[in-house]
Amino acid sequence: EPEVTQTPSHQVTQMGQEVILRCVPISNHLYFYWYRQILGQKVEFLVSFYNNEISEKSEIFDDQFSVERPDGSNFTLKIRSTKLEDSAMYFCASSGPGLGQETQYFGPGTRLLVL
Amino acid sequence: KQEVTQIPAALSVPEGENLVLNCSFTDSAIYNLQWFRQDPGKGLTSLLLIQSSQREQTSGRLNASLDKSSGRSTLYIAASQPGDSATYLCAVRPTFNKFYFGSGTKLNVKP
Repeated sequence: EPEVTQTPSHQVTQMGQEVILRCVPISNHLYFYWYRQILGQKVEFLVSFYNNEISEKSEIFDDQFSVERPDGSNFTLKIRSTKLEDSAMYFCASSGPGLGQETQYFGPGTRLLVL
Repeated sequence: KQEVTQIPAALSVPEGENLVLNCSFTDSAIYNLQWFRQDPGKGLTSLLLIQSSQREQTSGRLNASLDKSSGRSTLYIAASQPGDSATYLCAVRPTFNKFYFGSGTKLNVKP
């Protein structure tokens, strides 16, 4: 069964460094999303992406964050200058065309630790 | 801003019990509502999606209902099994592109 994959599974970085989290959505999907979950807290929506542009973003998704679909398969989240409070699990999700667009399929997540 | 609350936060039941998980939301203007399952250290798995015009959806032993006017949804799990142990998340979608998640109900089904 097709699945969303994410790399790396874990990343440790120093405060102020840039990180890029990578996702490979399901191949025929058109809608892409990033979420984060700080340890012990709710899953929070960050951004949605369709047709090579951001469809919607949350208050969390400030100028430190950017997303890109650099080729036909990858979807990336970049954090320009990481802060301690960016430590979280980051989930990528995608949804398909037609009737399948309603259901989001999540990747296993990247656990980011900022020191 | 939409607030989503799930009760109870944790639940421990013996195998075979039927159980109900509750989700409430503050703004009834929703696009749809989705229930997810989250296993420790893993991503989210979609269980059921209810459109705003629907009252319930069923998949196997799972049944989800939606009462938009009162801002409530319930997830009913019949004949629970140890493999059902996980955290169950309710997510409300005010627009197509955005979800608001509840904090989840952590379910433990004891053999």
